[in-house]
Amino acid sequence: KNEVEQSPQNLTAQEGEFITINCSYSVGISALHWLQQHPGGGIVSLFMLSSGKKKHGRLIATINIQEKHSSLHITASHPRDSAVYICAVMVGNEKLTFGTGTRLTIIP
Amino acid sequence: DTEVTQTPKHLVMGMTNKKSLKCEQHMGHRAMYWYKQKAKKPPELMFVYSYEKLSINESVPSRFSPECPNSSLLNLHLHALQPEDSALYLCASSQDLPTATGYTFGSGTRLTVV
Repeated sequence: KNEVEQSPQNLTAQEGEFITINCSYSVGISALHWLQQHPGGGIVSLFMLSSGKKKHGRLIATINIQEKHSSLHITASHPRDSAVYICAVMVGNEKLTFGTGTRLTIIP
Repeated sequence: DTEVTQTPKHLVMGMTNKKSLKCEQHMGHRAMYWYKQKAKKPPELMFVYSYEKLSINESVPSRFSPECPNSSLLNLHLHALQPEDSALYLCASSQDLPTATGYTFGSGTRLTVV
């Protein structure tokens, strides 16, 4: 069993829909990262969370430390949001452990 | 400057070649990382440098040789690679260990070994 589980693995939605991607982890962490990767491209760090909630534009990330769960929400989704979204946790203060990613496709 | 810059963006090399990948950041970050990413898989950690010293080597074959000449620069020297080493190589940096504040990834070097 992976230490970091993401769901869904694939998500297709219509433009404008509200998107939720979930991440669950099984170990104690010092921080959780949400990352975005476009096809063939590098990785962009969206959020780093250790508690609570963060918002940046149309993106919102929440974390519940007690339940070992985080969500990434996208409001008013747009085709340019199509990418792979990766949850990664900092374990042992030196290494990021990555989830397998959620492939998001937004249809115009 | 809030970027991690990787060069080259694409590299094709033969199995007998020697090449190097370069990673640079000017954010004052003291931790730098090399990752390898195969298609449709998450990145796999290869090396971590902290304050210019190798902190983690994830049992990477010796045909990959990292070097950190100064706090802004991280190199990955490649020699006698195999076709299965073809992948996207990502560099990242963070403010330091253990807080890993400001974790920033580069856009990667796509390596093809022929």
